[in-house]
Amino acid sequence: DTAVSQTPKYLVTQMGNDKSIKCEQNLGHDTMYWYKQDSKKFLKIMFSYNNKELIINETVPNRFSPKSPDKAHLNLHINSLELGDSAVYFCASSQAQGITEAFFGQGTRLTVV
Amino acid sequence: GNSVTQMEGPVTLSEEAFLTINCTYTATGYPSLFWYVQYPGEGLQLLLKATKADDKGSNKGFEATYRKETTSFHLEKGSVQVSDSAVYFCALSLSGGSYIPTFGRGTSLIVHP
Repeated sequence: DTAVSQTPKYLVTQMGNDKSIKCEQNLGHDTMYWYKQDSKKFLKIMFSYNNKELIINETVPNRFSPKSPDKAHLNLHINSLELGDSAVYFCASSQAQGITEAFFGQGTRLTVV
Repeated sequence: GNSVTQMEGPVTLSEEAFLTINCTYTATGYPSLFWYVQYPGEGLQLLLKATKADDKGSNKGFEATYRKETTSFHLEKGSVQVSDSAVYFCALSLSGGSYIPTFGRGTSLIVHP
């Protein structure tokens, strides 16, 4: 069983389109995250949710909107895609309490053309 | 704020060479420290961790010791293999309501036969 799964793995789309990336974790964790990884492998936190509530929202354009229907799911919707949005997006989860590691999905490679 | 600084890569080694990847951190409080590995086309996965000063984390021949006096957590392996080629991330985490893992920029390791 995959602990953190993201879909799709690859996403190619045109500028101006709207797209969504889905994420699900079956670890029973309370906290989920979205990270963006650029071409130099730098990981930037975008959002963090704890028990379906937003707790961290870094400086991200408001074209990006996370949605957490329940604590096992955290989806990312992106409006009006731009060339600069091309990157790999990772979903991750961890226990909210205590000092524990994060578990990552396999990533979604988004290419905007 | 909290931060993690890693040596820049790429680090290029021959098989069976000794590996060191330096990592230092700045944190308010007493963090847990982690090394994650990212193989090509995959998400990050935990390699090892240490939760308090002087702890040594180890896995798959890799080791790192939590040094509070030097705020460091350097990754070492005595004899690298081609299959160790990947990007390595040092990270820290702290407990608390707004806890998010903080990652270094990643160090690419290339091992030649």
